[in-house]
Amino acid sequence: DVKVTQSSRYLVKRTGEKVFLECVQDMDHENMFWYRQDPGLGLRLIYFSYDVKMKEKGDIPEGYSVSREKKERFSLILESASTNQTSMYLCASSSTGLANEKLFFGSGTQLSVL
Amino acid sequence: GQQVMQIPQYQHVQEGEDFTTYCNSSTTLSNIQWYKQRPGGHPVFLIQLVKSGEVKKQKRLTFQFGEAKKNSSLHITATQTTDVGTYFCHPGSGTYKYIFGTGTRLKVLA
Repeated sequence: DVKVTQSSRYLVKRTGEKVFLECVQDMDHENMFWYRQDPGLGLRLIYFSYDVKMKEKGDIPEGYSVSREKKERFSLILESASTNQTSMYLCASSSTGLANEKLFFGSGTQLSVL
Repeated sequence: GQQVMQIPQYQHVQEGEDFTTYCNSSTTLSNIQWYKQRPGGHPVFLIQLVKSGEVKKQKRLTFQFGEAKKNSSLHITATQTTDVGTYFCHPGSGTYKYIFGTGTRLKVLA
């Protein structure tokens, strides 16, 4: 089975800190994604990447950046964390670059910014 | 941002009752996927529909893709407590590429 691993299940940071959320997949998938999930707002796409060093903005990229130096790893960076970035962050991956390939999700990181 | 609407947003049913969630798009979709997220869990792929009017079944779950490929539905017959969770639709391409529906949260009362 595909495994998508997120480095932390829970994270508590202070306002203004730089935060790194790491995601690793073990199935050689081309596509990787970062979503945030908030009650009543569903899953919102922050960024995605379809290849190493390639990235595209999703619906809500403001305040975030990403890095994909290796195919298996996709990092989400909060340059200066703010309280409105408190959320559940979900990483996902999919294969072949086709939009109709199913997404595999990690277990999520619940980030609290105080 | 772009959204694909799902209705209802929430549904509480008694165990044994049926449940349906609908996913609506303003544009034609090439395909649609459905995911289930258990409380405290992450979304897990259930099924993909590709053809106009397609109907697929998984035990008590029936998935339909509209004839115009602009809407889809998930119907659960005789709900059980194990059906609790949030169900998301996910249009596979085009305008809504990588966007998820707003989700329907199902609660089943024993």
